[in-house]
Amino acid sequence: AQTVTQSQPEMSVQEAETVTLSCTYDTSESDYYLFWYKQPPSRQMILVIRQEAYKQQNATENRFSVNFQKAAKSFSLKISDSQLGDAAMYFCAYRSATSGSRLTFGEGTQLTVNP
Amino acid sequence: ETGVTQSPTHLIKTRGQQVTLRCSSQSGHNTVSWYQQALGQGPQFIFQYYREEENGRGNFPPRFSGLQFPNYSSELNVNALELDDSALYLCASSSGGRGPLTEAFFGQGTRLTVV
Repeated sequence: AQTVTQSQPEMSVQEAETVTLSCTYDTSESDYYLFWYKQPPSRQMILVIRQEAYKQQNATENRFSVNFQKAAKSFSLKISDSQLGDAAMYFCAYRSATSGSRLTFGEGTQLTVNP
Repeated sequence: ETGVTQSPTHLIKTRGQQVTLRCSSQSGHNTVSWYQQALGQGPQFIFQYYREEENGRGNFPPRFSGLQFPNYSSELNVNALELDDSALYLCASSSGGRGPLTEAFFGQGTRLTVV
């Protein structure tokens, strides 16, 4: 079974600064996808960024980028130029390429952005 | 907003009762997944429905059951409620494929409290 671990229950960052959230995972599969989701107080999960395991290039979406280290099974999220609206719970998630849309989530990291 | 709607938004039930939660999937999506998110934790996969058939199940007892209707909306039923069933229940819809672009869109969840 796959597992996802987020070792930082809480992180804080100053507005306009950069923060990195960590995620490691365990799997015996070679083909899979990784995601970062944001869950604000409204409770709705919002996809931030995704990475296909077969791609060596790290995904980037505007101020959000990942550092994907397949051999180390590490998938960190970097948020640049942090904004107050980035404050939320962030979840790292794994999806097998063969199990439909089932997601395995980590425990989450609560991000606080200080003005 | 994602187009995935869940009802009700909040619910209080007594231990031993039964509850039905509902989810309307996004237009064009034929797969619905249900997740349980206990307070302060990441979502846990309950099960998934694809074209009205259960298509994958997590580590949940049989008293958690579901349905998917011809319009691809879905219900989650929980019998013999226990205090530990208190959680946020999230529904996610997707197009049912296996590629990375079959993004799961989440609803805002139903907060269930069992007393």
